[in-house]
Amino acid sequence: EIVLTQSPATLSLSPGERATLSCRASQSISRYLAWHQQRPGQAPRLLIFDASNRATGIPARFSGSGSGTDFTLTISGLEPEDFAVYYCQQRADWPQTFGQGTKVEI
Amino acid sequence: EVQLVESGGGLVQPGGSLRLSCVVSGFTISSYSMTWVRQAPGKGLEWVANIKEDASDTYYVDSVRGRFTISRDDAKNSLHLQMNSLRAEDTAVYYCARDLRGFGPWGQGTLVIVSS
Repeated sequence: EIVLTQSPATLSLSPGERATLSCRASQSISRYLAWHQQRPGQAPRLLIFDASNRATGIPARFSGSGSGTDFTLTISGLEPEDFAVYYCQQRADWPQTFGQGTKVEI
Repeated sequence: EVQLVESGGGLVQPGGSLRLSCVVSGFTISSYSMTWVRQAPGKGLEWVANIKEDASDTYYVDSVRGRFTISRDDAKNSLHLQMNSLRAEDTAVYYCARDLRGFGPWGQGTLVIVSS
């Protein structure tokens, strides 16, 4: 099973600041990585697929990068609605797995 | 507008069964792989099961294999999860989602509580 490790567990920032979230895979997953956002009490929402492609309707302040084992989600200029939990997810192999999440808090 | 609506959750005793449904509008599920993901209270996301677009293959996380069955009803554009021999550790919100280069869009989830 491919293990995804996200860091940090919690990121404390202010609106307008830049957030950098990391996801490391236990083995190479090429670019088969997605990022999801989950606001409190809501279902997750797909942000990024295939490491760097924004899903439909996702603002340009969200960007993804990386390949192999190291990936980054960057939010340039945090908006109030961006304070949430972010999960990475790999689809390179079964079982598909998620990281444990990074909480972005004010 | 794309919409996924889950139903069928509830309180069930250990060893019991439940059948979850996910009714989809806005796209034809027979053209996509579909998946179930769960989230235990206060915990992270866990992939549970997947069915390929042609229904030729299904995949399960080890902890539910042999107890859960994923299926599709293409005529009703709906996805199902039959859950048998339920355990306390199956307690979670269960989400359905399209599986295309990442899970999404997602439904709003249905809560399953396994308790005596």
